[in-house]
Amino acid sequence: ELKVEQNPLFLSMQEGKNYTIYCNYSTTSDRLYWYRQDPGKSLESLFVLLSNGAVKQEGRLMASLDTKARLSTLHITAAVHDLSATYFCAVDVTYGGATNKLIFGTGTLLAVQP
Amino acid sequence: SAVISQKPSRDICQRGTSLTIQCQVDSQVTMMFWYRQQPGQSLTLIATANQGSEATYESGFVIDKFPISRPNLTFSTLTVSNMSPEDSSIYLCSVGAPRRDRGGIWAAFFGQGTRLTVV
Repeated sequence: ELKVEQNPLFLSMQEGKNYTIYCNYSTTSDRLYWYRQDPGKSLESLFVLLSNGAVKQEGRLMASLDTKARLSTLHITAAVHDLSATYFCAVDVTYGGATNKLIFGTGTLLAVQP
Repeated sequence: SAVISQKPSRDICQRGTSLTIQCQVDSQVTMMFWYRQQPGQSLTLIATANQGSEATYESGFVIDKFPISRPNLTFSTLTVSNMSPEDSSIYLCSVGAPRRDRGGIWAAFFGQGTRLTVV
């Protein structure tokens, strides 16, 4: 059974600081997603990571994937209050293709303090 | 990308009743997925809905409790039957589609969700 673990579960940061959220998964997959969820809202797609060594950046967020270690990271650079949200990683259970049937991590609640 | 519309966006229901949630996609898709997000929790896959066949349910979810219809390639419904307060959650449908702004990479998109409260 595929399991996806995120840590930390809760992260309180000061504005301007850097931090990393970690996502470990238990079986082989070649497609990993990062999503953002604001309170009471649906999921906003941030990144799709497809291959080992993939690195994607958008604004203050950078995501990477190490399929051999079964690890993805979401790095936050110089955090700002607008980044406060819950962040989820999710792994596609289908190896070698994309069914978009996803197993989600536990989520990381990020609170950026002024 | 795919635009997914869910109805209703929220509802408050009496225990013992049933609620049907609709999911409409702006393009034809083979598979549609239904997820549940309990308060303060992550998302859990309920079932996969394929057009023309019965839905495939994940462990812990059964058809009698969560019947699903998939009459065509752009529409699906999820019914939450005989509701109890434990069914209070956000229910989301999801499809896969290429991302228009990311070079056509296939990605999973989500509807805005249906926030269900059972009293």
